[in-house]
Amino acid sequence: EAGVAQSPRYKIIEKRQSVAFWCNPISGHATLYWYQQILGQGPKLLIQFQNNGVVDDSQLPKDRFSAERLKGVDSTLKIQPAKLEDSAVYLCASSSQVGNQPQHFGDGTRLSIL
Amino acid sequence: GESVGLHLPTLSVQEGDNSIINCAYSNSASDYFIWYKQESGKGPQFIIDIRSNMDKRQGQRVTVLLNKTVKHLSLQIAATQPGDSAVYFCAETGGGADGLTFGKGTHLIIQP
Repeated sequence: EAGVAQSPRYKIIEKRQSVAFWCNPISGHATLYWYQQILGQGPKLLIQFQNNGVVDDSQLPKDRFSAERLKGVDSTLKIQPAKLEDSAVYLCASSSQVGNQPQHFGDGTRLSIL
Repeated sequence: GESVGLHLPTLSVQEGDNSIINCAYSNSASDYFIWYKQESGKGPQFIIDIRSNMDKRQGQRVTVLLNKTVKHLSLQIAATQPGDSAVYFCAETGGGADGLTFGKGTHLIIQP
């Protein structure tokens, strides 16, 4: 079974620029998550989708972050404009259904803001 | 929300010994717990999970123990190998939320 695919693996931008990350979950997984992992910390949930609907975006900084999963499969996460504190690894995870199921992670996109 | 934490940022063990990594959580509504292993430059890798109606679960060389009375979770790794070197995170969810809450991680170092 193919795992969660993410691209790009690395991205370097200047502050105030915009950036987008892409995620393709495990085939058949209805639930998709985006997490932010700052160096030395555990991942922090940004947003959760069930199919193409948002389940939880309470921790997403909506003034600069947006995410979509229009067809209920792939997802994109965008930051505009980027700030220095957005430097982190952005991880995508998926699970087969909502509730008490293991979430499987991709290898993330490492974002550096100059 | 409430956070999940780990007791030690670094744990050093001899190859072949057993490792025990501990985790305390504070959300009494948590009902599902997972241990992840994260190697440098990679995403968290699922190791084992446990639901709140259990107090012990075993996998291949790993055992997870859950003590709901004191809100404590542990991961035991038998016969630790060099490939076990990584950062280990406990994570929890519950109380109607599905997104995972992670602790800060324990870096397991294997000494030859």
